[in-house]
Amino acid sequence: EPEVTQTPSHQVTQMGQEVILRCVPISNHLYFYWYRQILGQKVEFLVSFYNNEISEKSEIFDDQFSVERPDGSNFTLKIRSTKLEDSAMYFCARRGETNYGYTFGSGTRLTVV
Amino acid sequence: QQQVKQSPQSLIVQKGGIPIINCAYENTAFDYFPWYQQFPGKGPALLIAIRPDVSEKKEGRFTISFNKSAKQFSLHIMDSQPGDSATYFCAASINTDKLIFGTGTRLQVFP
Repeated sequence: EPEVTQTPSHQVTQMGQEVILRCVPISNHLYFYWYRQILGQKVEFLVSFYNNEISEKSEIFDDQFSVERPDGSNFTLKIRSTKLEDSAMYFCARRGETNYGYTFGSGTRLTVV
Repeated sequence: QQQVKQSPQSLIVQKGGIPIINCAYENTAFDYFPWYQQFPGKGPALLIAIRPDVSEKKEGRFTISFNKSAKQFSLHIMDSQPGDSATYFCAASINTDKLIFGTGTRLQVFP
């Protein structure tokens, strides 16, 4: 299975700044997801993206968050005005129409200071 | 009702032992139950998954046992090795869509 590549691997940003996390699924999969994992805690669903639209979002995914697939390949998560509590690992994931398994990226560690 | 409860929080076994990790759910609409392995600094990697129409599934040294009536499922790791030391997450979903993860079990296997 092709890997899911995420960039950057680590980003440090000041509170209130905008960050964009990138994911390259490298395939024709239709379903994309963002999850986050606060250090030492469980992985939490943020948003699902199907056919270039948000199909579901969690309570965490408020107005400060947005997702895009700007060029048909990259998949981005934007946080407009970061807060300290946004510090976490952010994982992109994909799955295919008939593939029951997800593939997760290696994550971006976001540190808000 | 969307929660998946996982236990124990941590587990220490000796090489060759059979660690067992348990999960329980409430939502009977869940129809896909995967287990993920996560090493520090890495993303979760799918180990094995089961659907509620079977009670057991084996893949190599990993076995899922599923009890639909009790709404519980568990992961058994046969002949555990130090390389199995990682954090293990159970999860559940409906139609293999968004995953609801358990809280994780940190497994340490000593030589």
